[in-house]
Amino acid sequence: EVLLVESGGGLVHPGGSLRLSCEVSGFTLTNYWMSWVRQAPGKGLEWVANINQDGSETQFVDSVKGRFTISREDAKKSVFLQLSSLRVEDTATYFCARGRYCSRTSCSRNVFDIWGQGTVVTVSS
Amino acid sequence: DIQMTQSPSSLSASVGDGVTITCRASQDIRSDLGWFQQKPGKAPKRLVYAASLLQSWVPSRFSGSGSGTEFTLTLSSLQPEDSATYYCLQYNTFPWTFGQGTKVEIK
Repeated sequence: EVLLVESGGGLVHPGGSLRLSCEVSGFTLTNYWMSWVRQAPGKGLEWVANINQDGSETQFVDSVKGRFTISREDAKKSVFLQLSSLRVEDTATYFCARGRYCSRTSCSRNVFDIWGQGTVVTVSS
Repeated sequence: DIQMTQSPSSLSASVGDGVTITCRASQDIRSDLGWFQQKPGKAPKRLVYAASLLQSWVPSRFSGSGSGTEFTLTLSSLQPEDSATYYCLQYNTFPWTFGQGTKVEIK
């Protein structure tokens, strides 16, 4: 079974840091882009960050640039989101989602077929 | 950034009714669009990818269409289990962007 399991959420003060983890099983992480998507309480979905299949390229929504980093350790079957300089408005459930499949020669053009269950980040004083 | 304008923001319909949700992109995104269903307290699930390709588990009463800037998700015969919030997502250009969501309620 293909699964994504997030962990690392919690309560943190403004200005603080957290490291979220997404552990995958049931597929070879090496071939896939991976993203993080968040959802503030009662609000819609917001794409946050993406990392390509070999970690050489990352992308972020403007509101988190310079504060969040995304990384991967394929040997650990994990993707990470490092959250720093946290703000109250970063409070959300953070989901990891499977992105594009890439072979040696090309990448698919469909994304987010598999999602984790989410981990809750609360930023509050 | 590409803006995704989704409408309506909510709708209420009866079992058996047909409903249509629309997403308009602020620029051409080819067919790089997905539709997602989310129920309260749950992770989103993908219904449609590449604008019109149905995920294998999705009932055939769902369909997606469109390309370029105009896209629709159609439910041909609403069922009680379709009560949820639906989102479109463009993944043509970073930052990838979601529509604001459409809450579908059953009368």
